[in-house]
Amino acid sequence: SQKIEQNSEALNIQEGKTATLTCNYTNYSPAYLQWYRQDPGRGPVFLLLIRENEKEKRKERLKVTFDTTLKQSLFHITASQPADSATYLCALEGGNNRLAFGKGNQVVVIP
Amino acid sequence: GAVVSQHPSWVICKSGTSVKIECRSLDFQATTMFWYRQFPKQSLMLMATSNEGSKATYEQGVEKDKFLINHASLTLSTLTVTSAHPEDSSFYICSADGGYLNTGELFFGEGSRLTVL
Repeated sequence: SQKIEQNSEALNIQEGKTATLTCNYTNYSPAYLQWYRQDPGRGPVFLLLIRENEKEKRKERLKVTFDTTLKQSLFHITASQPADSATYLCALEGGNNRLAFGKGNQVVVIP
Repeated sequence: GAVVSQHPSWVICKSGTSVKIECRSLDFQATTMFWYRQFPKQSLMLMATSNEGSKATYEQGVEKDKFLINHASLTLSTLTVTSAHPEDSSFYICSADGGYLNTGELFFGEGSRLTVL
């Protein structure tokens, strides 16, 4: 069966450090992968998209890698700030341009 | 950036009543909109894909007669939860395909919290 796995445990990290989140998937062949941020009680906000032929993408303090052999994406927040505290969702193109989401991984940045 | 507005942001209703949720793309036209449901600490589950002027495509296990979707214009899609029951209580989120930007990005509404008593 198809699975998108993100760590269920919250990541607590000191301000200024780099937060790294993992997204592993099974039985998908996504043309692209996306990361979203979701705050409590709010809709997701798009952060980055990386296509299957791209290894790495950067946007300001964010970096995403995509390894289609390992079926894994890593999401990095460098120089993390308390305002980065949120849940981060991994989403895959699941066919017919529909997005399938992971459960998300909560990040807590400690001042 | 593109904005998607969802209304109402929260609603409480009695069991057996119907509730309508609206999703509007404010500054772009969306030929495709998606409706998701999210339970606490769970992933967003796609319920249906809504295409302007045609019938919605429902995901497996989603009752089309219970969750009525209407995409009457390029800027508006509605989800009606008919004969709501407490188990329908959830966070409903719509998104619109910003395909015109050619980024693959989806623009999400702020979500609608439904509580059925």
